[in-house]
Amino acid sequence: NAGVTQTPKFQVLKTGQSMTLQCAQDMNHEYMSWYRQDPGMGLRLIHYSVGAGITDQGEVPNGYNVSRSTTEDFPLRLLSAAPSQTSVYFCASSYSFLGVRYGYTFGSGTRLTVV
Amino acid sequence: AQTVTQSQPEMSVQEAETVTLSCTYDTSENNYYLFWYKQPPSRQMILVIRQEAYKQQNATENRFSVNFQKAAKSFSLKISDSQLGDTAMYFCAFMKHDEYSGGGADGLTFGKGTHLIIQP
Repeated sequence: NAGVTQTPKFQVLKTGQSMTLQCAQDMNHEYMSWYRQDPGMGLRLIHYSVGAGITDQGEVPNGYNVSRSTTEDFPLRLLSAAPSQTSVYFCASSYSFLGVRYGYTFGSGTRLTVV
Repeated sequence: AQTVTQSQPEMSVQEAETVTLSCTYDTSENNYYLFWYKQPPSRQMILVIRQEAYKQQNATENRFSVNFQKAAKSFSLKISDSQLGDTAMYFCAFMKHDEYSGGGADGLTFGKGTHLIIQP
């Protein structure tokens, strides 16, 4: 049982390049979300999904796209990388049972540097 | 929108002591969930404890317990018999309960964290 798997763990991009951060979970969780962590800022929500085919914006969505074609996968796309997107990115998944929500399980993160 | 405030950027205690980390939040929601997450130097986010706002009983997990004061919008974490392995960043987080989607639809709102150092 791998939990939440993020790839790659480290990435360096040039300004203007595009890339996709991969996130996969094998727990059949319906809820998934992406966060970025910057020094002194805690974690901030980028996008979230409540099930396959359903996504919505979080607090800091500009410059990022997501899709959720399957329950397992929730990739995050950077369309045109900017130095301000240098950060650590976390993917997380969660579930509900009998209408009660449970805590998010996090991946190990991707450290992205845009130069 | 909701906000989460952690007013202690850093705390340091001796091993085996008890320490309390503070968290306050602001929301207009009545039903929601509160969490404490631990982030050690490995960067992994680890769920420490979870509280359902509609339950008055404070959650406990071994050495970790919370003091949940709904009217005051306060959610502090108490760590008893602190250990060196408790050294980490601790984040308080909020998640609303969405009755129509079956339990919540907007991810987590985090505080900025408290860096806890356990001294030997």
